[in-house]
Amino acid sequence: LAKTTQPISMDSYEGQEVNITCSHNNIATNDYITWYQQFPSQGPRFIIQGYKTKVTNEVASLFIPADRKSSTLSLPRVSLSDTAVYYCLVGVVGDTGRRALTFGSGTRLQVQP
Amino acid sequence: DSGVTQTPKHLITATGQRVTLRCSPRSGDLSVYWYQQSLDQGLQFLIQYYNGEERAKGNILERFSAQQFPDLHSELNLSSLELGDSALYFCASSPQGGQGANEQFFGPGTRLTVL
Repeated sequence: LAKTTQPISMDSYEGQEVNITCSHNNIATNDYITWYQQFPSQGPRFIIQGYKTKVTNEVASLFIPADRKSSTLSLPRVSLSDTAVYYCLVGVVGDTGRRALTFGSGTRLQVQP
Repeated sequence: DSGVTQTPKHLITATGQRVTLRCSPRSGDLSVYWYQQSLDQGLQFLIQYYNGEERAKGNILERFSAQQFPDLHSELNLSSLELGDSALYFCASSPQGGQGANEQFFGPGTRLTVL
């Protein structure tokens, strides 16, 4: 199955904007792109969802280019409590033509004071 | 608290054994998803049920099976356990029935250790 890739880790400081990109070359045509946050020993928590262009909610923005082969989660003014692992979730079409939900490899964000 | 409950929280068993993990979705959610999270494989989608029917299948082994009952709770059965099955198993629920990457609400997980 096609991989959905993210940078392994990122470092930032409090108050900065952080952008995390997910590459999903084989995204299913009609599927949404969803992002989750996960703290140690907890289940993932929904952050934002989009289909194309830009979506913004109270905690993040999601940028999706026209070809939808990637997406970028933007966290404005991060704080120490944003230290977590961030995952994208998409439906991808594999080599056999079968569609399956696929999480990205995850990006560990470390926010420093 | 997501509203999704999973039991048990921890499970320790031996190779070759069979276990059952249980999930109760958020009130009103008809879809239940099962995921496996391990250090080497990351988060892997196993299977989705919607209102009692199988909706989508992911990387679920033949030794694993699941079902969703009329009251919408779900069980994941893992049999002939191997050391490599040790992982965190998450259940998630969603009001939507589509196969897509919908907004899902995750439970706290069941940590399975196979010795």
